[in-house]
Amino acid sequence: EIVMTQAPLSSPVTLGQPASISCRSSESLVHSDGNTYLSWLHQRPGQPPRLLIYLVSTRFSGVPDRFSGSGAGTDFTLRISRVEAEDVGVYYCMQATQLGTFGQGTKVEIK
Amino acid sequence: EMQLVESGGGLVQPGRSLRLSCIGSELTFRNYWMHWVRQAPGKGLVWVSRINSDGSLTSYADSVKGRFTISRDNAKSTVYLQMNSLRVEDTGLYYCARGGGSLESWGQGTLVTVSS
Repeated sequence: EIVMTQAPLSSPVTLGQPASISCRSSESLVHSDGNTYLSWLHQRPGQPPRLLIYLVSTRFSGVPDRFSGSGAGTDFTLRISRVEAEDVGVYYCMQATQLGTFGQGTKVEIK
Repeated sequence: EMQLVESGGGLVQPGRSLRLSCIGSELTFRNYWMHWVRQAPGKGLVWVSRINSDGSLTSYADSVKGRFTISRDNAKSTVYLQMNSLRVEDTGLYYCARGGGSLESWGQGTLVTVSS
């Protein structure tokens, strides 16, 4: 089973400032078809998760361009260029290269 | 965007069974892989199972393999999760989600509580 490790687990941020979350996998996430099935999701309290980024760096429909994803192999990063109040909640990375696994989640809150 | 609505959750004793359902709102339901993901109260997301678009391929997390069975009926735009031999640790909110390599659309979840 591929293990996904996120850091930090908690991130107090100032409105308008950048934030980043790291996600590391225990094995390479490059699939035999050449794609890397690493995505990022955001969950607000009391709501289901919603997809932000898929295939490492592609923003899902309707996701603001302040969100960006990068990385390759086993190391990935989600960046928020300027944090807004609506960005609070928990962020998860997920791999679907080999079955499915989520990271532990990173809680983003406003300082 | 396809809406997904889960049902079938409830309170059940350890060792008993429960079947969850998830109905999709679009005729294109049959084109998509479907997943089940669970979330224990106050905890993170855990991937449970997935099924391909025609139902011929299924996969499971080790923690549920041999106890849970995923299936689908494309004529009814519905995916199911049959859960047998339930354990206390299976307690949580169960979401169905649409997608292959990423989970694009999620339902609101149905709550399963396993307790004596």
